[in-house]
Amino acid sequence: DQQVKQNSPSLSVQEGRISILNCDYTNSMFDYFLWYKKYPAEGPTFLISISSIKDKNEDGRFTVFLNKSAKHLSLHIVPSQPGDSAVYFCAASANFGNEKLTFGTGTRLTIIP
Amino acid sequence: DAGITQSPRHKVTETGTPVTLRCHQTENHRYMYWYRQDPGHGLRLIHYSYGVKDTDKGEVSDGYSVSRSKTEDFLLTLESATSSQTSVYFCAISDYSGGTEAFFGQGTRLTVV
Repeated sequence: DQQVKQNSPSLSVQEGRISILNCDYTNSMFDYFLWYKKYPAEGPTFLISISSIKDKNEDGRFTVFLNKSAKHLSLHIVPSQPGDSAVYFCAASANFGNEKLTFGTGTRLTIIP
Repeated sequence: DAGITQSPRHKVTETGTPVTLRCHQTENHRYMYWYRQDPGHGLRLIHYSYGVKDTDKGEVSDGYSVSRSKTEDFLLTLESATSSQTSVYFCAISDYSGGTEAFFGQGTRLTVV
């Protein structure tokens, strides 16, 4: 039972364009969401988070949008750069981050120069 | 970068043998986690610790045990390795009980033959 779903295993985007990575969740108790980025042979690194009291959080080129009614969140990267090529994991937690994380299966983003 | 190291980085072992993976941190974070990453599953929590000698089970704890005798060290033991435990194992540290905004180690690739 996959409670956090990333339905696109891979995504290719041209350099300079917008990358949009999507994530859906089924557990209505989730109220804190994160994105992690992972390069090959390295551990994941925290990228950005959002609480359910907000619908948008922005950090430089990265913006996360949360649609609670649809149980959907997305990560926008603008403009996309070659260094953004990585696997991106969506993760969710309940009790505003005090419950253990549930991760999605990841989306491999490739930025085409 | 957070001071977190995993050892060994790679290991090949035979079915039925015991294996211990080590996670060492220099950041004095209270919470430590062991995850495994498998294709199609993302990262799944095996065990976690919320202090010295305080540990608890995660989502996929069967066949694994952990110990934390010092703040800086968190050991993961496979008592009798099986082929289904072939995976990449990540240790993470965090100041938050849910493991949000965690720092991850570089991973240990374990192959059970």
